[in-house]
Amino acid sequence: DAMVIQNPRYQVTQFGKPVTLSCSQTLNHNVMYWYQQKSSQAPKLLFHYYDKDFNNEADTPDNFQSRRPNTSFCFLDIRSPGLGDAAMYLCATSRDGRSLLYNEQFFGPGTRLTVL
Amino acid sequence: GENVEQHPSTLSVQEGDSAVIKCTYSDSASNYFPWYKQELGKGSQLIIDIRSNVGEKKDQRIAVTLNKTAKHFSLHITETQPEDSAVYFCAATDGGTSYGKLTFGQGTILTVHP
Repeated sequence: DAMVIQNPRYQVTQFGKPVTLSCSQTLNHNVMYWYQQKSSQAPKLLFHYYDKDFNNEADTPDNFQSRRPNTSFCFLDIRSPGLGDAAMYLCATSRDGRSLLYNEQFFGPGTRLTVL
Repeated sequence: GENVEQHPSTLSVQEGDSAVIKCTYSDSASNYFPWYKQELGKGSQLIIDIRSNVGEKKDQRIAVTLNKTAKHFSLHITETQPEDSAVYFCAATDGGTSYGKLTFGQGTILTVHP
C-alpha cells in the first residue's frame, strides 16, 4: 500500500546530541512537510519541500534542518536537541500543495522524540 | 497569518449519540478545511475535508459543514461508537501561501462511552 513511513517510531537522545528522523513515501508526492507536535498541542509546521525547493517557516529555530535527497525521502536533523524539543514529529506529503484539487496532506505515524 | 480556534477541547458522549466539534478561522482566503483523527500510535488520519466551493459534505456517519460568511466549519459524527474515541483536529489552509500550509486547531478529545 502506498503510504508515508517514519523511522524510528520512538527515538531517545541525549541533550545536545544530534539526531536524525527519517520519512519516506511511496505516493510520489511533490511536497513533503515536517510538523512538530508537543503534548496536548496542535501540530506546528516546521518546514516543507516542494520538490527540491526548501521552505522554512519564519519561526522555526536554526537548530532544525532538513534534507530531501530524492522524491521519496526526507530527513529532519536536530543539531543540538534541548529538553524543549521533546515532541512528536510528524511527516506529511501532498501531491501539490498549491492545487485545491491535490492539496490533501497524508500523514505518517510520527516519531516520538525523548530528550534526556 | 491564519488562526484556527477549535471547541470544545473535550467532549464526552454516550454510544449512539451525536458529537459536534466546531472551528473558526480568521483568513477569509482559506479554501480547504480538513479534519484529522489522531489515535495513539496511528498518526493523523484524514477523515473528511471540505473545500470552499461547497457548504456541506457527508460520508456515512461523518459530515462537515462550512459557513464562509461566518468563517466557521463543524464536524458532525452521528451514531457514535467507542472506536470513534480519539483526538480530532480541524485545520485550514493559509490562503496567503502557495503550498497548502495547514494551520490546526487545538484539538478535541472525544470519548464515546459504551
